[in-house]
Amino acid sequence: AQSVTQLDSQVPVFEEAPVELRCNYSSSVSVYLFWYVQYPNQGLQLLLKYLSGSTLVKGINGFEAEFNKSQTSFHLRKPSVHISDTAEYFCAVSDLGDYKLSFGAGTTVTVRA
Amino acid sequence: GAGVSQSPRYKVAKRGQDVALRCDPISGHVSLFWYQQALGQGPEFLTYFQNEAQLDKSGLPSDRFFAERPEGSVSTLKIQRTQQEDSAVYLCASSLGRSGGYNEQFFGPGTRLTVL
Repeated sequence: AQSVTQLDSQVPVFEEAPVELRCNYSSSVSVYLFWYVQYPNQGLQLLLKYLSGSTLVKGINGFEAEFNKSQTSFHLRKPSVHISDTAEYFCAVSDLGDYKLSFGAGTTVTVRA
Repeated sequence: GAGVSQSPRYKVAKRGQDVALRCDPISGHVSLFWYQQALGQGPEFLTYFQNEAQLDKSGLPSDRFFAERPEGSVSTLKIQRTQQEDSAVYLCASSLGRSGGYNEQFFGPGTRLTVL
């Protein structure tokens, strides 16, 4: 099973500033990569995913992530955050062809005015 | 359309009680997953169903945990003789297809179980 490390447990950021959330995974075998967002009292919602092809993936709400195979990383970025981006963000990985997702511990993003 | 729903949303149980948590997946979704999310942690895989068949239960932490999906739609996760370490949010997810990756998992809001 994959091991997923989210390097920052909490990220405070001011509104309209950029944010980067870091994610590293354990294995260099072929993987699928995901970022999910969890708003308070809601289920996990898929932000974006990397399955194959271009290493730069664009998702919903202006988020993007870059897959770096040599560094086994999949960092999430947004150039300008809004108050509404305050939430918990989870990086997840599955081995190619597997159905199980392995999640990181999450990063809490708090956007301040 | 309706998403994945779970009930109850909150459950408080005394240690030793049995509990049953329900998941209604999106209609027509073949695959159903249960995850356990402890406080401050990411979700951890518990079990996987393809239609009514439980194909993987490797993540169930003990034989006190039991899941079923008898008609290939609604699923129930049952925990017998609950312990304090069972306190967590239990998430259900469903996906249209049989395999991962290309088949997005849609998550329900979860059931928060507190064992006193």
